[in-house]
Amino acid sequence: AQSVTQLGSHVSVSEGALVLLRCNYSSSVPPYLFWYVQYPNQGLQLLLKYTTGATLVKGINGFEAEFKKSETSFHLTKPSAHMSDAAEYFCAVTRGFQKLVFGTGTRLLVSP
Amino acid sequence: GAGVSQSPSNKVTEKGKDVELRCDPISGHTALYWYRQSLGQGLEFLIYFQGNSAPDKSGLPSDRFSAERTGGSVSTLTIQRTQQEDSAVYLCASSLDRDGYTFGSGTRLTVV
Repeated sequence: AQSVTQLGSHVSVSEGALVLLRCNYSSSVPPYLFWYVQYPNQGLQLLLKYTTGATLVKGINGFEAEFKKSETSFHLTKPSAHMSDAAEYFCAVTRGFQKLVFGTGTRLLVSP
Repeated sequence: GAGVSQSPSNKVTEKGKDVELRCDPISGHTALYWYRQSLGQGLEFLIYFQGNSAPDKSGLPSDRFSAERTGGSVSTLTIQRTQQEDSAVYLCASSLDRDGYTFGSGTRLTVV
């Protein structure tokens, strides 16, 4: 069975600071990994995904994530936070593009 | 269509009534998923359709919940005899192979 753990239900950063949202996964087979963002009262928007190939994945809005098999991690980063990045972020894992299993989410708060 | 369309966007129903939620996936997407998002429960998988295969119903919380997908396209999630704990946002997603999952904006169900 697959699972995802997101450390920290809330992360607070100042505008311009580094954003780091942590995600660790458990999977018995090579996983496909995703990060989604959800703005208030909206659906989920795909930020980036890892399937195969390059382990450093670049996404939209300046976000990137690195797949580290040895650490079973897929942390999301952005060098400089913007006020518009305030949202909830979900890490998810799947095997063979079946059902997505989500983490519990991390709410990113950005202060001026 | 350009995206995944869900209707209605909001639904208020009385306890004990039946409700139907509709999902129009992206044209050509072979897989369709239903998730439920409620406070304190995160994103909960409900059911998954893939082509003509038997659906994966492992996430349906009770026999009051059912879903069908007609003609490999539109899907309807039905909740019978609604209870207050059914109040949540119901999200639909569709996918085609490794392109990833595209989510709709959801239906917010309130049971009063």
